[in-house]
Amino acid sequence: GDSVTQMEGPVTLSEEAFLTINCTYTATGYPSLFWYVQYPGEGLQLLLKATKADDKGSNKGFEATYRKETTSFHLEKGSVQVSDSAVYFCALPYNQGGKLIFGQGTELSVKP
Amino acid sequence: GAVVSQHPSRVICKSGTSVKIECRSLDFQATTMFWYRQFPKQSLMLMATSNEGSKATYEQGVEKDKFLINHASLTLSTLTVTSAHPEDSSFYICSARDRQISNQPQHFGDGTRLSIL
Repeated sequence: GDSVTQMEGPVTLSEEAFLTINCTYTATGYPSLFWYVQYPGEGLQLLLKATKADDKGSNKGFEATYRKETTSFHLEKGSVQVSDSAVYFCALPYNQGGKLIFGQGTELSVKP
Repeated sequence: GAVVSQHPSRVICKSGTSVKIECRSLDFQATTMFWYRQFPKQSLMLMATSNEGSKATYEQGVEKDKFLINHASLTLSTLTVTSAHPEDSSFYICSARDRQISNQPQHFGDGTRLSIL
């Protein structure tokens, strides 16, 4: 069945470091792919999305490219800030009803 | 952008109390809303899919008599935790999709922290 696998956290970085959070998926066809971010004590916010192969989603300095060859959607940011500290979830829809499959989440902690 | 409002943000109550959580889509119509439960340091667990004007669809292992869902309009779904007990303490999150836009991601509320004493 469809699934999403993220790299395990927590990830601890210094401010201005480069960030990569790996996400790979298995799916039937080519679904849209999403990254959501959850700040402490809050719900999830859509960070970025890609709707087809080779699309690059970007927002707030974060980027992710939909790569069907490697079935990956890795999240990257060139220079992280303390305010980026949060939990990041990779997700894909698995039926027409709109249900989402989430990865297990990767906690990012950025130190000043 | 699309906004989903969830209320209340935090509830603390005694064991045996029933608690209602509201989820509203503020600037779009949502035929479908989703209810999730999240345990500390874990991912979201889908509890049920709430469909406007019809019965909710519950995921396996979720007690429908315990977690009552009502989706009376295109902008409001409610989750009622009936006769709540300490093991029901958790973070509950709702989400909604805009019915007018296909392939649209879900938009999430800010969650409700439920603590049963």
